[in-house]
Amino acid sequence: AQSVTQPDIHITVSEGASLELRCNYSYGATPYLFWYVQSPGQGLQLLLKYFSGDTLVQGIKGFEAEFKRSQSSFNLRKPSVHWSDAAEYFCAVGAGRRDDKIIFGKGTRLHILP
Amino acid sequence: EPEVTQTPSHQVTQMGQEVILRCVPISNHLYFYWYRQILGQKVEFLVSFYNNEISEKSEIFDDQFSVERPDGSNFTLKIRSTKLEDSAMYFCASSPPPQYFGPGTRLLVL
Repeated sequence: AQSVTQPDIHITVSEGASLELRCNYSYGATPYLFWYVQSPGQGLQLLLKYFSGDTLVQGIKGFEAEFKRSQSSFNLRKPSVHWSDAAEYFCAVGAGRRDDKIIFGKGTRLHILP
Repeated sequence: EPEVTQTPSHQVTQMGQEVILRCVPISNHLYFYWYRQILGQKVEFLVSFYNNEISEKSEIFDDQFSVERPDGSNFTLKIRSTKLEDSAMYFCASSPPPQYFGPGTRLLVL
């Protein structure tokens, strides 16, 4: 069955520190992978996506993610976090067909210490 | 930048009442979706829609739910007789991939 695991429910980092949010997926074929961010009371904003090609993808707001097929992982990274990065982050997977649903992980809530 | 819009942003209703949630997808998109997020839980797929028909629906999407594209711009989700457990944030999305999400409608059923 298709699934996404985000092992960390909460992560706290200091402003200016580096960040890595973990994501593992279970999928039968080559997946399309996404990271979305949700600020409190807001909708879901696409941070970045992986469809094919270069396994290191760049997104908005200085985020990047690396697809590792051997580890079934798609971890999100940022070299230096800002207080405005405090939000909930969702990893998601889809089949890539145009009408395919996205399956979301349970999310990781990021807290930033001043 | 084009975006998905949803109305209303909040809706409060009594159990057993019908509600209609509205979405305006990005104008050149052809694939439309509804998801929901119960407070504190993950986002769950409800239904996908293409070419005026449902492509796929989840087990959550029972006979109380329906979707419609009544004109060239709107995409609606109707809940015929709301239950307490329908209280959630409902997100509309459109694509081609990736999917772009609207800001959501927070539905509270009393």
